[in-house]
Amino acid sequence: SQKIEQNSEALNIQEGKTATLTCNYTNYSPAYLQWYRQDPGRGPVFLLLIRENEKEKRKERLKVTFDTTLKQSLFHITASQPADSATYLCALPTSGGSYIPTFGRGTSLIVHP
Amino acid sequence: NAGVTQTPKFQVLKTGQSMTLQCAQDMNHNSMYWYRQDPGMGLRLIYYSASEGTTDKGEVPNGYNVSRLNKREFSLRLESAAPSQTSVYFCASSESGRTASGNTIYFGEGSWLTVV
Repeated sequence: SQKIEQNSEALNIQEGKTATLTCNYTNYSPAYLQWYRQDPGRGPVFLLLIRENEKEKRKERLKVTFDTTLKQSLFHITASQPADSATYLCALPTSGGSYIPTFGRGTSLIVHP
Repeated sequence: NAGVTQTPKFQVLKTGQSMTLQCAQDMNHNSMYWYRQDPGMGLRLIYYSASEGTTDKGEVPNGYNVSRLNKREFSLRLESAAPSQTSVYFCASSESGRTASGNTIYFGEGSWLTVV
């Protein structure tokens, strides 16, 4: 069955450093992969989408890579700030024709001043 | 621009009681969803409606029913609440449910439900 794995342990980094979060998947050949941000007590908010034919995508301080051979996406936040502290979720379209995104459990990022 | 609005924000129910979570979106989206989020389990799809007039089961539909009232509104009903249904519920919408080219989901702010 399809499986999405994100590190359940929180990532603690110092302000100004680059944060790198990982999303691994198995038994998938997704056409795209998405990253969402979720703040405590709020709903997830869409950040970026990367398609299977794109190796890398950037948006301001965010960079996403998508390696379909390794079945892995990396999410980078450069020059991280305390305001970047949140949980980050990756999502992939469910196979079988529905294409409805299935979400990973998320990784908590804590940026220390 | 309200986006996805869901009510109530908080609710405490006794086991066996029923209730309906309401959701409305103002983005003219075709597809709507109900997810639940539990610690350690992530977001799990309960039901979805790919378009007005259709509803389908998701990963965890047992104990729930849904109604797609019109294009804007999608409600979730718990007929006989159980403690296992204590969770945070998120309504969401997207322009189109079944697309291989990308399907950005817009979430509401969540409804915290406790069943005692």
